[in-house]
Amino acid sequence: DSGVTQTPKHLITATGQRVTLRCSPRSGDLSVYWYQQSLDQGLQFLIQYYNGEERAKGNILERFSAQQFPDLHSELNLSSLELGDSALYFCASSVRQGWEQYFGPGTRLTVT
Amino acid sequence: AQTVTQSQPEMSVQEAETVTLSCTYDTSESDYYLFWYKQPPSRQMILVIRQEAYKQQNATENRFSVNFQKAAKSFSLKISDSQLGDAAMYFCAYIERGNQAGTALIFGKGTTLSVSS
Repeated sequence: DSGVTQTPKHLITATGQRVTLRCSPRSGDLSVYWYQQSLDQGLQFLIQYYNGEERAKGNILERFSAQQFPDLHSELNLSSLELGDSALYFCASSVRQGWEQYFGPGTRLTVT
Repeated sequence: AQTVTQSQPEMSVQEAETVTLSCTYDTSESDYYLFWYKQPPSRQMILVIRQEAYKQQNATENRFSVNFQKAAKSFSLKISDSQLGDAAMYFCAYIERGNQAGTALIFGKGTTLSVSS
């Protein structure tokens, strides 16, 4: 158990819908990262937050957004979902930027 | 831009034997971390071992060790006394340190390791 929690574990929804994925980092970790893992794209970095502030953006679509709250948990919002958004979404946390990251169990999103 | 390359899509090993997974990376930075992550069938990403670029000594964690060749930008993982539970996808990853603007892990495409009895 990495200490990073993610909910829900599985999510099945229809195209055009909106979903919210939730992540709680390890105790004491200020930095939260979101990654997408799909079969054809591998592990792709989406976005990073540090102590409530957005710090880095990767290959995140405009239909996706995220935030980190004062209690340091983070939410990833995916809207206008398409079939191609089906993937495993990981949250990871680290005590500071540029350090080792610990991953949550992931949320498997299936868009039908 | 930094890149990480794993040239072996699949590897196999017998129980109790030793196997080495290869990884090369490209960066112009001098301060960075390298990692190996394991992803078993459960899909959980598990940190196996870390190496700080400024440390010449190769990292070791029980049966797992690395061969870090900084000049060659090579970072291989050696698994000794392989066990059935070692069967998984292994990802090599790089992260730049000291970048206040934010940074994230850059992953290779992974190597699937199968272990036979």
